[in-house]
Parts: sequence; structure tokens; C-alpha cells
Amino acid sequence: DQQVKQNSPSLSVQEGRISILNCDYTNSMFDYFLWYKKYPAEGPTFLISISSIKDKNEDGRFTVFLNKSAKHLSLHIVPSQPGDSAVYFCAASGITSGTYKYIFGTGTRLKVLA
Amino acid sequence: EAGVAQSPRYKIIEKRQSVAFWCNPISGHATLYWYQQILGQGPKLLIQFQNNGVVDDSQLPKDRFSAERLKGVDSTLKIQPAKLEDSAVYLCASSSSGTGWTDTQYFGPGTRLTVL
Repeated sequence: DQQVKQNSPSLSVQEGRISILNCDYTNSMFDYFLWYKKYPAEGPTFLISISSIKDKNEDGRFTVFLNKSAKHLSLHIVPSQPGDSAVYFCAASGITSGTYKYIFGTGTRLKVLA
Repeated sequence: EAGVAQSPRYKIIEKRQSVAFWCNPISGHATLYWYQQILGQGPKLLIQFQNNGVVDDSQLPKDRFSAERLKGVDSTLKIQPAKLEDSAVYLCASSSSGTGWTDTQYFGPGTRLTVL
């Protein structure tokens, strides 16, 4: 039962253009959402987050949008840079069995072409 | 500040052997997590500690996996005996409290385990 889904395993974007990574979730109890970036041979690093009371959060070139009715969130990177090439995981957090848990998606590999 | 440390970085063993991984969280972080990431999948939580107590181990295969967090700081994850399907990257993460829904987790570099 995949509660957090990233349906695009990979994405290629030209440098300077917008990258849009998508994530869908099924559990309406999730109330906090995060994006992590992962380079090869490193652990995931936190990128940006959004709570369920907002529909947008922006941090520099990164913006996360949340559509609760559609149970969908997206990460926009503008402009995309070659250093953004990495695997991006979305994660959803909510109370499950009395504790907060993160459920991760399967990841989207972004390649930014110079 | 120093990040989450893990060792070893790589381990190759044969099936039915035992293996142990070590994690040192960020200083002062109360909550420690162990995740298993199989190739092509997202990290899956195995066990979560709050200080030295277990908060959640519902997805830990307890017949072969065990974990402990002595004195609420370092932690070890053990697999005995290993199976082929245990081949994965084992990630350790820590967070300052683990009780708030905005608590950010910080990950170590992971240990890549290959079971032959």
C-alpha cells in the first residue's frame, strides 16, 4: 500500500528552465509534507516543507504547492541549475498509531542539462 | 555542527551471516530513526527511538533484525541471519524532538549492504 506516490521516476530539464516534480498521497491524515534531495552516496537532505494549513511555501528558487482536495503536492525549481541534478523524495507526515511518522515516496531523478 | 555519522559505509556479506551497523546522531537530538532503502524505492522506517526507548518498531522484522540505543545516544542495528532481500542502504536519521509534526529529520550517509 503505497501511501505516497511519485509517478515519474525521472525528469530531464534544460538549465534555466522550470523543473516540476509531482507527488500524490492517499491518506487524508497527513498534515505536513516535505521534500528531500539526495545525491549519490549521500543521505537525503531536507529541502523545503509545507503544512496542511498552507497551499504554498517558497524558499529562494524552490516553491512547494499543496492541493489538499486533490491530495497532490508539487515542487517547482526556478531556474533549474546543473547542481540541482539529484533524486528528490517527497515525504508526508501524520499521526499513525499515536506517533508521527514520515512516509516517503519512491523518488524522482532530476537531470538538469547544461 | 557535526552531522549524523554512520559506519561502515559499505558491507558485503554472504547470506546467513550477521552484520551490524552503527550510528551516531547529531548531538542533543532526542530522536533516532533507522530506515531501509531498497534500490528504486523510498526510505522505509524500521525503528524509531525517543531517547533510549522504542517509539515505533512496527516494520522491523524482529525475527532477524534488532536495534538498540544505549544511553540515548549511539545506536546499533543488527541483522542475524541476513537474507538476500536485505540488500539495501540502511539510513540513520535524527531529529531534535520527534514529537512535533514539523520536526525535521537529518540523515547520515547510509551503509550500503550487499548480501550474496
